[in-house]
Amino acid sequence: NAGVTQTPKFQVLKTGQSMTLQCAQDMNHEYMSWYRQDPGMGLRLIHYSVGAGITDQGEVPNGYNVSRSTTEDFPLRLLSAAPSQTSVYFCASSYEQGGDPYGYTFGSGTRLTVV
Amino acid sequence: AQRVTQPEKLLSVFKGAPVELKCNYSYSGSPELFWYVQYSRQRLQLLLRHISRESIKGFTADLNKGETSFHLKKPFAQEEDSAMYYCALSPYGGSQGNLIFGKGTKLSVKP
Repeated sequence: NAGVTQTPKFQVLKTGQSMTLQCAQDMNHEYMSWYRQDPGMGLRLIHYSVGAGITDQGEVPNGYNVSRSTTEDFPLRLLSAAPSQTSVYFCASSYEQGGDPYGYTFGSGTRLTVV
Repeated sequence: AQRVTQPEKLLSVFKGAPVELKCNYSYSGSPELFWYVQYSRQRLQLLLRHISRESIKGFTADLNKGETSFHLKKPFAQEEDSAMYYCALSPYGGSQGNLIFGKGTKLSVKP
């Protein structure tokens, strides 16, 4: 049971390049989400998914796309990288039981630098 | 608007001193509230959630609906408590993959 796995751990991109951050979970959680962490800003929700085939925007979705074709995977795509997207990205998964949140688990993060 | 406020960016205490990390929230319904901890360059870990009323690593937090607060407390700080602490709110009474985080408080415990 690996929990939430993010790849890569580190990435440097040039402005305008595209890439996909991978996130996989093996806990059969319905919910998955992507956050970015910036100094002094805390964590801000980018996109989230409540199940396979269902995604929605969070607080800061611009410049990012997601899809959820399987329960396990929730990749985050940067369409055309900008320096403002330099950040640490965390993927998380969770499930709901009896109306209460359970098992909210974070990945180890991807540190992205856009030059 | 749903919001979580952590008024202190940095809190510095000496080992053995009491610690209180403040968290206030703005939400019209019945929120679920959490504290997460992030040790240096590690992933976020759940420290506490108000529905379980647990005490983890000596930390406790009580939800005060009248003051809309969920302050994190520990009577005697340890050096290993030095970390970033985030207060978070789940606005729908369930996870839904949608936590709202405060900006975090960096706790520094000096020897």
